Amino acid sequence: EAGVAQSPRYKIIEKRQSVAFWCNPISGHATLYWYQQILGQGPKLLIQFQNNGVVDDSQLPKDRFSAERLKGVDSTLKIQPAKLEDSAVYLCASSETSGGQETQYFGPGTRLLVL
Amino acid sequence: GDSVTQMEGPVTLSEEAFLTINCTYTATGYPSLFWYVQYPGEGLQLLLKATKADDKGSNKGFEATYRKETTSFHLEKGSVQVSDSAVYFCALSEQGAQKLVFGQGTRLTINP
Repeated sequence: EAGVAQSPRYKIIEKRQSVAFWCNPISGHATLYWYQQILGQGPKLLIQFQNNGVVDDSQLPKDRFSAERLKGVDSTLKIQPAKLEDSAVYLCASSETSGGQETQYFGPGTRLLVL
Repeated sequence: GDSVTQMEGPVTLSEEAFLTINCTYTATGYPSLFWYVQYPGEGLQLLLKATKADDKGSNKGFEATYRKETTSFHLEKGSVQVSDSAVYFCALSEQGAQKLVFGQGTRLTINP
């Protein structure tokens, strides 16, 4: 079974530029998550989708971050404009449904460096 | 709000040593508890989990017991191997929610 795919794996941009990350979850997984992992910290949830609807985006900095999940499959996370403090690894995860305590499967992440 | 506190790292041990990584949590309800592992260059993988008090999760020789009275979920392994070198994350999710709240991670290095 293919895992969660993310691209690109690495990205270097200058502050005030924009950047987008892509995630393809495990086939059939209804729930998709984006986490931000700053160096030396644990991942922090940015946004959770159930199919193509948003379940939780309470910690998403909406002035600069946006995310969408068209057709309830792939998702993109965008940052515009980027700040130095956005340097982090962006992790995508998916799970089968929104109920219970299903295991979340993580992708390899996109490492972003903002200069 | 919910939070997870892990033992400060890095932790360095010799092969075959006994491992304990401490984890305590704060939550309003009855969360499920998890240990995730991140091997170098790879994504986070679920190592083990426990969904109610006194449950013991186990996998690959690792164990952790959900202790409600001490709000803890310490990770243990009796004899570590070099291949166990990784970063370990303790996490919780509240009942009825799926959002994971992670600790800061503990880097473990095992020397031959």
